[in-house]
Amino acid sequence: DQQVKQNSPSLSVQEGRISILNCDYTNSMFDYFLWYKKYPAEGPTFLISISSIKDKNEDGRFTVFLNKSAKHLSLHIVPSQPGDSAVYFCAASVGGGSQGNLIFGKGTKLSVKP
Amino acid sequence: NAGVMQNPRHLVRRRGQEARLRCSPMKGHSHVYWYRQLPEEGLKFMVYLQKENIIDESGMPKERFSAEFPKEGPSILRIQQVVRGDSAAYFCASSSQETQYFGPGTRLLVL
Repeated sequence: DQQVKQNSPSLSVQEGRISILNCDYTNSMFDYFLWYKKYPAEGPTFLISISSIKDKNEDGRFTVFLNKSAKHLSLHIVPSQPGDSAVYFCAASVGGGSQGNLIFGKGTKLSVKP
Repeated sequence: NAGVMQNPRHLVRRRGQEARLRCSPMKGHSHVYWYRQLPEEGLKFMVYLQKENIIDESGMPKERFSAEFPKEGPSILRIQQVVRGDSAAYFCASSSQETQYFGPGTRLLVL
């Protein structure tokens, strides 16, 4: 049973527009959430994280929103750039990111078209 | 400051051979994690180690797989008597606080 779900395998967006990637989770014990970006044949690159005590965290073009009641988080990228084209993974953990394992979704492949 | 380093980047083994995957964490990081990614899947946790200690190995297969993080040197993920189903990308991550940072991975192919 998947505890972290990314229901959209792919997303296509025009350059300059907003990209919204979604993630749902089932385990209410999760208290730390992260987004990673991954290019083919490379390791995941950390993008942004959020603790369960917050509902929003922003870093440049990237904003993560957390809705605990809905067990849903989303990553907004604005404006989207062609270099953002990659697979994006949502991950969650209990006890903070350094205390144990991350549970990953299956990823969403983002394509940003010029 | 160098990131997480893994070697080899690619490893080919025949069924029944042993595979050794190495991971050097980022400088100053004392926590190491190993994950496995099968095609079209997300990363799956295998094991979490600190220096000379296995903290959580709940994701490790019960047989043929072992991991260590010695006082000196890199962390090693060892797979004995590999089978075709072991073919995957193996990623190592390290952390000091909240965030885990990943290495480039080792792609294991079992023939």
